[in-house]
Amino acid sequence: QSALTQPASVTGSPGQSVTISCTGTINDVGAYNYVSWYQQHPGKAPKVVIYDVNSRPSGVSNRFSGSKSGNAASLTISGLQAEDEADYYCSSYTGSNTYVFGTGTKVTVL
Amino acid sequence: EVQLVESGGGLVQPGGSLRLSCVVSGFGVSGTYMTWVRQPPGKGLEWVSVLYVGGRTYYADSVKGRFIISRDSSKNTLFLQMNSLKTEDTAVYYCAKVAALEFFEFWGQGTLVTVSS
Repeated sequence: QSALTQPASVTGSPGQSVTISCTGTINDVGAYNYVSWYQQHPGKAPKVVIYDVNSRPSGVSNRFSGSKSGNAASLTISGLQAEDEADYYCSSYTGSNTYVFGTGTKVTVL
Repeated sequence: EVQLVESGGGLVQPGGSLRLSCVVSGFGVSGTYMTWVRQPPGKGLEWVSVLYVGGRTYYADSVKGRFIISRDSSKNTLFLQMNSLKTEDTAVYYCAKVAALEFFEFWGQGTLVTVSS
């Protein structure tokens, strides 16, 4: 159950777009369209922003979008805003009735 | 309104036990998949365990044989019994509702477990 690989940090200016990658294996990200992304502000619980690769929960801004290709998924935040500064984690169902999270990415808004 | 409230965290010595509770309102714990996720201080999220609607349970390798997930439908509460605790189990523990095995839909605020002598 190795963690999915994410970049430690990404930085962008207000209004720009940033993309966070999430690399797994054929047994998790590559096997199922059950990739989700979570936003976590300091001291707060995680909140889902994308599920099933590219679906947005009600109430989540359409500036958040997701995609997947092979064993890798990605989260794009468009029109970056100060409130988007947070940690982001990807997650995938693994098929053996378990789940795995990514290593986490800190998004900084300049 | 959906609400999940964890409790039961605290300081425990290595080798000790602790039981976490997660009181749920807004939906029934017996009718959905429920999970525990933990986060060591300053580190990333780690999936711990899941309880299926039918009662089957699954665990991360790091806690298998030591932790037990369960629920009490009459109290609409999810539990995590943690035995033989190790220092590396120190973390904030979150309970969450799993949406159809696909993602973690609603989260509690977390409870801190510290394993230290």
